Amino acid sequence: DQQVKQNSPSLSVQEGRISILNCDYTNSMFDYFLWYKKYPAEGPTFLISISSIKDKNEDGRFTVFLNKSAKHLSLHIVPSQPGDSAVYFCAARAYNYGQNFVFGPGTRLSVLP
Amino acid sequence: NAGVTQTPKFRVLKTGQSMTLLCAQDMNHEYMYWYRQDPGMGLRLIHYSVGEGTTAKGEVPDGYNVSRLKKQNFLLGLESAAPSQTSVYFCASSLRDRPSEFYGYTFGSGTRLTVV
Repeated sequence: DQQVKQNSPSLSVQEGRISILNCDYTNSMFDYFLWYKKYPAEGPTFLISISSIKDKNEDGRFTVFLNKSAKHLSLHIVPSQPGDSAVYFCAARAYNYGQNFVFGPGTRLSVLP
Repeated sequence: NAGVTQTPKFRVLKTGQSMTLLCAQDMNHEYMYWYRQDPGMGLRLIHYSVGEGTTAKGEVPDGYNVSRLKKQNFLLGLESAAPSQTSVYFCASSLRDRPSEFYGYTFGSGTRLTVV
């Protein structure tokens, strides 16, 4: 039973438009959420995070929104660029459950020129 | 500054063979992790360590053993490889979180293992 779900295995977006990647979770004890980006043949790299005490965090073209009541978070990329084409993983952690993050299955984003 | 280094990058094993994957970090991180990545499953935690000489089981520990004899190294062993262990293995490390501070993971570039 996956605690972190990314129901869209893939997403294609035109360059310059907005990309929205979604993530749902089931554990109400999660207190920190991350998005990681992964290129082929490389390890995941940290993109952006959000604490459960916030509902939005912005870093340049990337914004993460958290809706705790719906147990849902989303990553917005505006404007999308071809270099954003990668697999994006959502991850969540419950602090009182150690420091281990639970990862979603990932969404492959393709930004078309 | 190498970060997290995994060796080897690729390996093909026959069923029943054994091998050890090495992870080394030069950031003085307390925590280290081993994950496996399979299609449609995301990253699943195999074992982790919160400090030198300590190890703990993650979500999918069966068939694997680990050791953390030195702070900078975390070894993942397969005693008798099975085709179900064909996967991409990632090592990660992190500082120990404090309640008001958060530190994410730094990942290695992965080891692609095929068991035939």
